[in-house]
This record gives sequence, C-alpha cells and structure tokens, in this order.
Amino acid sequence: DAGVIQSPRHEVTEMGQEVTLRCKPISGHDYLFWYRQTMMRGLELLIYFNNNVPIDDSGMPEDRFSAKMPNASFSTLKIQPSEPRDSAVYFCASSLARQLNTEAFFGQGTRLTVV
Amino acid sequence: AQSVTQLDSHVSVSEGTPVLLRCNYSSSYSPSLFWYVQHPNKGLQLLLKYTSAATLVKGINGFEAEFKKSETSFHLTKPSAHMSDAAEYFCVVSDNAGNMLTFGGGTRLMVKP
Repeated sequence: DAGVIQSPRHEVTEMGQEVTLRCKPISGHDYLFWYRQTMMRGLELLIYFNNNVPIDDSGMPEDRFSAKMPNASFSTLKIQPSEPRDSAVYFCASSLARQLNTEAFFGQGTRLTVV
Repeated sequence: AQSVTQLDSHVSVSEGTPVLLRCNYSSSYSPSLFWYVQHPNKGLQLLLKYTSAATLVKGINGFEAEFKKSETSFHLTKPSAHMSDAAEYFCVVSDNAGNMLTFGGGTRLMVKP
C-alpha cells in the first residue's frame, strides 16, 4: 500500500476563495482523522470518522470548515471562505479498528497558504 | 481527560552523544503511548509504541523509551545521536478506547557535527 495519500501537497489561495483538501486513507482502515499543524497551536485534531461517519468534529474551528467522507477510500476537508489565519499544514491520518495501542498512519500533509 | 507535556521545546546535542527527550502524561486510564518523528516538510512517522507488554520499548533507528507509571513518564532516548536524527519529535497518548490521540507540543532535536 502506498500509505495515506493527500493532495495537493501545496496550495496557495487568495482570501475568500474556497479550498478543498483531499485524502485517500490506507485501504482497509476504518478510522480517518484530519489534523491541523501550526507553529502557535501545534497539532490539533479537527475531526475524525469511523466507517465514513463523522464521530467527533468538536475540533473544527468554525462553520467555514467542513469535512466529508463519501466512501471508505476518500475524504475531503473544505474551507469556504478561506482566511489568512487558516494557513497551516493539514494532515490526514488513518488507522484500523481503533483499540488500545493501534497507531495512526499519517499522510505527507498539505501546506496551505492563504494570502 | 488526558494530556501530554513535552518538557523541552528544543534540545541540542552533538553527534555521537546521547539523546534524551522528556515526556510526561496524564490519563484517567492505562494509557497507550507513542512517539512520532517528523522530518522537515514530511509527515509523521511512528517511532515506537508502548503496548504494556514491556516497560522498555525499542523503536526504529536505535530509539527506545521507558514507561514509568510511578513517574507518569515516557522519555525517549538514543545512545548516540546521528545527524539524520535532527527532526521534531512528538509524544502522544491515546485514550482507553484508542480513539483520541493527544499530542504533546513537540521537541525539536538539533544535532551538531
């Protein structure tokens, strides 16, 4: 397996534009996580899914952020409208049958810059 | 509730000298503990994990960590640093169900030649 695949790797957009980040989890994994990483706040969990269903979205910063998982092999994180403070690296991770000691596998991340 | 504290935001060592990255955790349950490494412009890679089978856990690239329940610590060590070890390291605790990963603030390791 190629691991967790995120696209694009880099995105530069203007304030107010819609941004869509994409993630393909490892085949067979039933949990998917979206994280945001910034210098100020470190790694923050935004939302996670189990079997394509959102379980906890309490980390989503505001209504401008939304995430979907239409099937087991694809998820999107959308920001509309984008703002400069959304600039960060966004990571997607997946894992199998969450139980004690199961690790998450991370993608390479999408570096988002909103100007 | 659970939390992780990495006591040093930056650690600098010379190549060939020992590495110690400190991590303390709090958890209401018997925790699962992990160390991840992030090289510049890369994703996070699992270094090692505590499975409760043994308190001393060996990971990749010569790293190991010791779980000390009495001290609520899970410090990461390596006997001899290599230039390629320069990266950011994250200590992570997972809740009893394994659903929520809580990350420490990270420790940036710098290795001097």
